[in-house]
Parts: sequence; C-alpha cells; structure tokens
Amino acid sequence: GQNIDQPTEMTATEGAIVQINCTYQTSGFNGLFWYQQHAGEAPTFLSYNVLDGLEEKGRFSSFLSRSKGYSYLLLKELQMKDSASYLCAVNPGTYKYIFGTGTRLKVLA
Amino acid sequence: DTGVSQDPRHKITKRGQNVTFRCDPISEHNRLYWYRQTLGQGPEFLTYFQNEAQLEKSRLLSDRFSAERPKGSFSTLEIQRTEQGDSAMYLCASSLNTDTQYFGPGTRLTVL
Repeated sequence: GQNIDQPTEMTATEGAIVQINCTYQTSGFNGLFWYQQHAGEAPTFLSYNVLDGLEEKGRFSSFLSRSKGYSYLLLKELQMKDSASYLCAVNPGTYKYIFGTGTRLKVLA
Repeated sequence: DTGVSQDPRHKITKRGQNVTFRCDPISEHNRLYWYRQTLGQGPEFLTYFQNEAQLEKSRLLSDRFSAERPKGSFSTLEIQRTEQGDSAMYLCASSLNTDTQYFGPGTRLTVL
C-alpha cells in the first residue's frame, strides 16, 4: 500500500527553527514534494527532492533519505505568516501524487 | 497572472442538484489533475488528463462524477445529483509532463 505519515500538529515560537518530519512507504519513488497550505487556500509548492541530501531555499530547507523513506522540512527564523499546514507528497512513479494529511504549524509570538 | 485558475471559488447547492466546476491550467502545461480535499486531510487524487485524454479515474470518482478536457486546455468537473458527502474543496493542478504540479485556488463546494 501507499502510506505517508507526518505529525498532525506542531507549535513553535516566532524566530525559532522547526523541523517537520515525513516518512513514506510507497510502491515506487520519483520525488518528494513539500507544499504549504494556508487555511482555505490551495497548496503552494515549496520544495522538491529526488536525490538524497539537503535542498536549501532561503529560510526553507528539505532533506531526503530514500533508503530510510524519510524527509524533513526545516523552517528557520519563523514568522507569524508561516502558520499554515505543510503537506508532504510523494510521486510513486506515476502521475498522481500521494499526499500526507498535513502538519498544522502554529507560530506563536 | 499566469497560474492555475478555477471557477467558481465557492458553490453552495442543495442536495440532488448538479454542479460544474471549471479549471484553466497554466497555458503550456499538458497535464491536468483533479483532487478533492476535506478538512484536516491531504488532497486525494480524482482524475488525470494528458492533453485531452483522461488516462485515469480514481475509484473515489463515482458514476455521478464526470470530467472533460475537450481541447486539451481547460477542464470541467461535473457532479450530478450532489450528496452531502460531496462537500469538499475541489482542487485542480497542472504540470508540464512529469514536472512539479501547481495548484489552483480551489472550488469549495457545500451541499445542503
């Protein structure tokens, strides 16, 4: 079967660093994606990993270990506007993504 | 704005009525996807088009659901005889071949 697990909710303080983990078990693997979704809005693309290692993009970084079926999204210098759900999605080698249920991040002042 | 657009953004309907949603993908994207998302869940795949061909429909898509992409550009998703369980956000995404999928703003459907 296809399964993606991520924590349901996390809380962090403005200016801090937070790491959101994602583990996956899929029939194949052709890339892992992180999306940000504010309440009532569509997911917006954050990052893409297909090879092992760290991809850095400004305040956001994403890490992948294919052998462990594991990824994390690292958010630095948290801002209030970072309060949102963060979706981990895997392309198992077909055209459709498999999404996790999302991690709801609350940033406190 | 050259992103994915969807219309309408919100739709309230009574049970048993038919509704149709439209999606306009990013212009050069040949692939178009429909997903459904309910509160607290991630998007669930519904169907996929490559150009005008509908290549897969999820088993989530009952006979009451139909989607078209007649000229390989915009797409429509129709739900016939709506039920309260159809209430959800309907998301459209597009991509160029196997590249990243980009999502539209979604259509929020409420069935009373």
